[in-house]
Amino acid sequence: EAGVAQSPRYKIIEKRQSVAFWCNPISGHATLYWYQQILGQGPKLLIQFQNNGVVDDSQLPKDRFSAERLKGVDSTLKIQPAKLEDSAVYLCASSLRGRGTEAFFGQGTRLTVV
Amino acid sequence: AQSVTQLGSHVSVSEGALVLLRCNYSSSVPPYLFWYVQYPNQGLQLLLKYTSAATLVKGINDFEAEFKKSETSFHLTKPSAHMSDAAEFFCAVSDSGGSNYKLTFGKGTLLTVNP
Repeated sequence: EAGVAQSPRYKIIEKRQSVAFWCNPISGHATLYWYQQILGQGPKLLIQFQNNGVVDDSQLPKDRFSAERLKGVDSTLKIQPAKLEDSAVYLCASSLRGRGTEAFFGQGTRLTVV
Repeated sequence: AQSVTQLGSHVSVSEGALVLLRCNYSSSVPPYLFWYVQYPNQGLQLLLKYTSAATLVKGINDFEAEFKKSETSFHLTKPSAHMSDAAEFFCAVSDSGGSNYKLTFGKGTLLTVNP
């Protein structure tokens, strides 16, 4: 079974530039998550999709971050414009719907904003 | 909202020694709890999960965790540490907001294994 795919693995940009991350979840997984993991901290949920609808984006900085999940499959997370404090690893995960189901994670995208 | 607290951001043990990583949860309903491990430059991998069945849960690589409702704890243990166990470990709780289940993580515990 193919896992969660993310690209790129690494990205370095200057502040005020824009950047986009891509995620392809495991086939058949209705739920897709984007987490931000700052060095030395646990993952923080940015946005959660159920199929192609947003069910939780309470911690997404909506003035600069946006995300979409086209046709309930692939997802893209965008930052525009980036700030220094956005430097982090961005993790995508997917799961079957339901409490107690395991979330499967991709390898993440490490973003450095200089 | 439900949350987890991991006591100790860094734990160091000798090879062959007992590993004990602590996690306490806050929940108004019976929780679903998870332990994930993250190796350097990797995503998170599930070690084990508690979903209200047996209170002692066994996971991969001889890790296990015991759910103790009276102590609101879900500590992770391994009888004998290996060098390959060095990683960061995260406790997580499944939160229910209506029918949408959010996975909330603790801050993590970095495990170092010394030869």
